[in-house]
Amino acid sequence: GEDVEQSLFLSVREGDSSVINCTYTDSSSTYLYWYKQEPGAGLQLLTYIFSNMDMKQDQRLTVLLNKKDKHLSLRIADTQTGDSAIYFCAESTGKLIFGQGTTLQVKP
Amino acid sequence: SAVISQKPSRDICQRGTSLTIQCQVDSQVTMMFWYRQQPGQSLTLIATANQGSEATYESGFVIDKFPISRPNLTFSTLTVSNMSPEDSSIYLCSVGDRGTNEKLFFGSGTQLSVL
Repeated sequence: GEDVEQSLFLSVREGDSSVINCTYTDSSSTYLYWYKQEPGAGLQLLTYIFSNMDMKQDQRLTVLLNKKDKHLSLRIADTQTGDSAIYFCAESTGKLIFGQGTTLQVKP
Repeated sequence: SAVISQKPSRDICQRGTSLTIQCQVDSQVTMMFWYRQQPGQSLTLIATANQGSEATYESGFVIDKFPISRPNLTFSTLTVSNMSPEDSSIYLCSVGDRGTNEKLFFGSGTQLSVL
């Protein structure tokens, strides 16, 4: 069945890099997504990667996709306190299936 | 991207009552999606609302509990009927990029608490 899994919590120091990992099950996913949710807010589409790519870079964000292992990661360079939020990974299988979300805590 | 307005942004309701959530999009879209996010949980798709046809509900969600209207290409409502405390969640409306079901954009959500 469809399932997306993430670790629940990550804590980093300001200025360090953050790496949030995700595994998914459906190899037919067309796109894979990263969403950001700040307290009291809806979800913001942060970035996405097409399934035939293995890397995408967008400013401080780097997405790596390993299709063989069905593993997706989001690296945030020079993490700032404003990056503190919940990050959701999602796979697209005709509908979006979301992971449980990873809470990123950035310490000054 | 699409701009999605949802209201109310939050509400506190009594058990047994119903609440209708409105979703307005700034462009015409074929499909609109309603999600639920239970406290501390991920998002679960409730239903897909297409203009001019009945909504398509996901497993575990039924029309009697979550009736949906889609009167035009920019507007939809979700009603949470006969509420119980288990319905306390954030309800989110979303639309896909250029009318598809990809690259979903979300409204800010409706925080519902049922006493």
